[in-house]
Amino acid sequence: EPEVTQTPSHQVTQMGQEVILRCVPISNHLYFYWYRQILGQKVEFLVSFYNNEISEKSEIFDDQFSVERPDGSNFTLKIRSTKLEDSAMYFCASSEGGGPGNEQFFGPGTRLTVL
Amino acid sequence: GQNIDQPTEMTATEGAIVQINCTYQTSGFNGLFWYQQHAGEAPTFLSYNVLDGLEEKGRFSSFLSRSKGYSYLLLKELQMKDSASYLCAAKNSGNTPLVFGKGTRLSVIA
Repeated sequence: EPEVTQTPSHQVTQMGQEVILRCVPISNHLYFYWYRQILGQKVEFLVSFYNNEISEKSEIFDDQFSVERPDGSNFTLKIRSTKLEDSAMYFCASSEGGGPGNEQFFGPGTRLTVL
Repeated sequence: GQNIDQPTEMTATEGAIVQINCTYQTSGFNGLFWYQQHAGEAPTFLSYNVLDGLEEKGRFSSFLSRSKGYSYLLLKELQMKDSASYLCAAKNSGNTPLVFGKGTRLSVIA
């Protein structure tokens, strides 16, 4: 069964460093998302991406964040200068369509720890 | 504004039935989703409702009342492996992201 994959599974970084989290969405999916989940808290939306551009972003997704689809398979989230409060589990998700009933499939997540 | 409320924790006995409730307030409405999340893992899709009524999928059923802004997830014949967090999530409209509740942590005991 096709699945969303993410690398790395764990990333430890120093405050102020740049990190890139990588995702490979399901191959025939057109909509891509990044969510994050701080330990013990709810899953929060960061950004959605369709047709090679951001379609929606939350207040969390400030200038420190950027997304890119560098080729036909990868979808990346970059945090330019990490802060302690960026420590969280980051989930990539994809869906075939954007309308109602289009299930979003989540990847296994990258646990980011900022020291 | 958007608000999704669900109980923080529930405990139920193996073999029993449990109902997890969710109330939502969103600016628009385009579907209510239930996801299961085991500790340290990704959410996995369980069910989706956009019309009023009950959707059944094996041991799992989900109900929606749009007029009341209310949904529940029903789990039958509980198994120990059902111990997990159950996340209620709503979509406002079209291609919009999921808005998640805080999740209900279900503990299944023998």
